[in-house]
Amino acid sequence: AQSVTQPDIHITVSEGASLELRCNYSYGATPYLFWYVQSPGQGLQLLLKYFSGDTLVQGIKGFEAEFKRSQSSFNLRKPSVHWSDAAEYFCAGGSGNTGKLIFGQGTTLQVKP
Amino acid sequence: SAVISQKPSRDICQRGTSLTIQCQVDSQVTMMFWYRQQPGQSLTLIATANQGSEATYESGFVIDKFPISRPNLTFSTLTVSNLSPEDSSIYLCSVETSGVTDTQYFGPGTRLTVL
Repeated sequence: AQSVTQPDIHITVSEGASLELRCNYSYGATPYLFWYVQSPGQGLQLLLKYFSGDTLVQGIKGFEAEFKRSQSSFNLRKPSVHWSDAAEYFCAGGSGNTGKLIFGQGTTLQVKP
Repeated sequence: SAVISQKPSRDICQRGTSLTIQCQVDSQVTMMFWYRQQPGQSLTLIATANQGSEATYESGFVIDKFPISRPNLTFSTLTVSNLSPEDSSIYLCSVETSGVTDTQYFGPGTRLTVL
């Protein structure tokens, strides 16, 4: 069965430190992959997406993600975290023919001053 | 991307009643979806809202409980019927814009509390 897994439920980092959020997928073929961010009381905002081609994807707000086929991973990174980055982050996968997205469980990011 | 609005943004309802949520997009879109996000959980797809035909429901979701309408390419409604406390969730609509395959943009969500 297709699945997306975020192993870390909660992560705390200090402001200015680097960040990496993990995402693993299980699909029959390479899925389309996405990272979304949800601030408290808000909807989901698309940070970046991977369809094909360059495995390092740049997104908004200084985020990037790297697709690694050998590890079935699509980890999100940011070199220097800001207090405003505190939010819930969701990784999602799509198969390309149904429009259906499968979401990971989410990772809550807390930023310490 | 598309600008998506939802009404209401939040509501408190009594057990046994129904709530209808509206989703409006500022441009015509091919596909619209409805998701549920239970407290502290991830998102689960309820159904795909098809323009001019019946919605396509995911396993575990039925039309009697979650009737959906999509009268045109910019608007859809989701009704949550016969409410129980277990229906307390955030309900989000999303759209897939034409020409941007498989990229979904989400509305702000409707927070439903059932007493």
